[in-house]
Amino acid sequence: NAGVTQTPKFRVLKTGQSMTLLCAQDMNHEYMYWYRQDPGMGLRLIHYSVGEGTTAKGEVPDGYNVSRLKKQNFLLGLESAAPSQTSVYFCASRQTSGRASTQYFGPGTRLTVL
Amino acid sequence: AQSVAQPEDQVNVAEGNPLTVKCTYSVSGNPYLFWYVQYPNRGLQFLLKYITGDNLVKGSYGFEAEFNKSQTSFHLKKPSALVSDSALYFCAVRDEDNAGNMLTFGGGTRLMVKP
Repeated sequence: NAGVTQTPKFRVLKTGQSMTLLCAQDMNHEYMYWYRQDPGMGLRLIHYSVGEGTTAKGEVPDGYNVSRLKKQNFLLGLESAAPSQTSVYFCASRQTSGRASTQYFGPGTRLTVL
Repeated sequence: AQSVAQPEDQVNVAEGNPLTVKCTYSVSGNPYLFWYVQYPNRGLQFLLKYITGDNLVKGSYGFEAEFNKSQTSFHLKKPSALVSDSALYFCAVRDEDNAGNMLTFGGGTRLMVKP
């Protein structure tokens, strides 16, 4: 049981380039999330999904797109990267067994946009 | 709306001494409260959560947290700190009435335990 995995672990982009971050979970969780972590700002929610084929905007969705074509995967896309998107990105998942259920996090992807 | 505040950017404590990392929250309904820990270059690891019932919640690695409804606080505690407890700690809240079931995180508190 690998839990939540993320690829790649590190990436450097030039301004204007595009890329996709992959999140996978093997816990059969319905809910999946993408966060970004910036110094002193905690984690901020970018987008989330409550099930296969569904996505919704979080707190800071601009400049990002997501897709949830398969239940176990949640993709985060940057169409035209900007230096402001330099951050550490975390994926998380949780069951839908009540609002008290715990979120489990992946190890993160460190992205630098030059 | 829901929000979390961690008033201290950093907490310094000597090994063997008790530690407290503070967290206050604001929700419109009943809160579900969580503590996570992040070690360098790692993801967030779940420590403990408060749902209902006893105000003192025990979690992983000897940590516990006390829920105080009147003070809207959920402080993380440990009776005797270890150097290996040095990490970044996040408090998070989910409002029972939050339709999106989203967690809101505090800004994090860095705990430094010195030998």
